[in-house]
Amino acid sequence: NAGVTQTPKFQVLKTGQSMTLQCAQDMNHEYMSWYRQDPGMGLRLIHYSVGAGITDQGEVPNGYNVSRSTTEDFPLRLLSAAPSQTSVYFCASTLDLAHLPLFGPGTRLTVT
Amino acid sequence: SQQGEEDPQALSIQEGENATMNCSYKTSINNLQWYRQNSGRGLVHLILIRSNEREKHSGRLRVTLDTSKKSSSLLITASRAADTASYFCASINTGANSKLTFGKGITLSVRP
Repeated sequence: NAGVTQTPKFQVLKTGQSMTLQCAQDMNHEYMSWYRQDPGMGLRLIHYSVGAGITDQGEVPNGYNVSRSTTEDFPLRLLSAAPSQTSVYFCASTLDLAHLPLFGPGTRLTVT
Repeated sequence: SQQGEEDPQALSIQEGENATMNCSYKTSINNLQWYRQNSGRGLVHLILIRSNEREKHSGRLRVTLDTSKKSSSLLITASRAADTASYFCASINTGANSKLTFGKGITLSVRP
């Protein structure tokens, strides 16, 4: 198993650009989620999915879109990047919420 | 708003001392988890305690859960310089829209 993979590891965007952060897992986990981590703020939930075709908003969903067309993939889209979206983004997956989630290595995004 | 709030925000102790970190949460939970994050690195899960458990041990870690007070504590005994890291509590709320949400974290410094 590759676990939870995230690409890219680093990205620099200009304000207004769009991009997709990729997250994939090969463990047949139903539950996947995206977090952003900012200094002094811990991790905040952006969007999550309890299975293919189902997504829901977390604490800080504005400016981000997600889709879950397959169990394996859960991409996070930034439609029009803003400097406030400069952050480290973590994807996580778990079989269900009774189990500990596995986190990906993170994507460090800078928006200038 | 974030589900978990850790206390203190920063803790500095001498090697060999015990470190106690507290976490309070707002809603009913299925389980509560503690994570560790070294500077610039990803999250590592330490321990999970379920809502029907009161205390759990893992090596030098001891976690307690008081659901009546909606609080948990993480005790690291005989601390080492290598325990220097940020520690986060995260909880999964009960109900239809269960989510894993994190506190802001505690920065622990262990002086050699």
